[in-house]
Amino acid sequence: QKEVEQDPGPLSVPEGAIVSLNCTYSNSAFQYFMWYRQYSRKGPELLMYTYSSGNKEDGRFTAQVDKSSKYISLFIRDSQPSDSATYLCAMHAPGKTSYDKVIFGPGTSLSVIP
Amino acid sequence: GAGVSQSPRYKVAKRGQDVALRCDPISGHVSLFWYQQALGQGPEFLTYFQNEAQLDKSGLPSDRFFAERPEGSVSTLKIQRTQQEDSAVYLCASRKKTVGLGGELFFGEGSRLTVL
Repeated sequence: QKEVEQDPGPLSVPEGAIVSLNCTYSNSAFQYFMWYRQYSRKGPELLMYTYSSGNKEDGRFTAQVDKSSKYISLFIRDSQPSDSATYLCAMHAPGKTSYDKVIFGPGTSLSVIP
Repeated sequence: GAGVSQSPRYKVAKRGQDVALRCDPISGHVSLFWYQQALGQGPEFLTYFQNEAQLDKSGLPSDRFFAERPEGSVSTLKIQRTQQEDSAVYLCASRKKTVGLGGELFFGEGSRLTVL
């Protein structure tokens, strides 16, 4: 079993829809949680970076962390065709050297249809 | 430069050839990471450096893979006697902070290796 699991999709939604993307993880040492967006043939770029449990909002994006359930989510409101990409969850534990490497989920492919 | 630069962007190698992939991180970034990304998969950790010290190489798939960062800046990932299963995109990322302080990873566009 991988340390980080994510539904690979593909997920196809109409423009304007609310999108929910999710990851589960097994290692309770993880403390920092991230969402990266990766366009085709490009490197991943950071969308959201959160610590511990709770919500964080940035524009149309909301990241949610539930450490008790080892479950994180990314919500995209008013989705746009430009949001079409692969979304990668990632996590690490910077205070512990052996876990300072960032571990990624397999990614969810999202298409937003105009 | 302004971002992480990787070269070559595309490399085709015959099975058994040696390849070297270069990463030029953002100036001043202390930490440098290498990841392997197979088609349709997320990046898989290979190794990381703090300055010139290789702190973790647990993700390197075999002893054919070797990475170095001799002066704490540019890094090279070398793959000896390439095999078809080595075909993937190799991503390099750098981070400003040292080990233990976290922070954002900045990725290059990757080097796409195809082994025939």
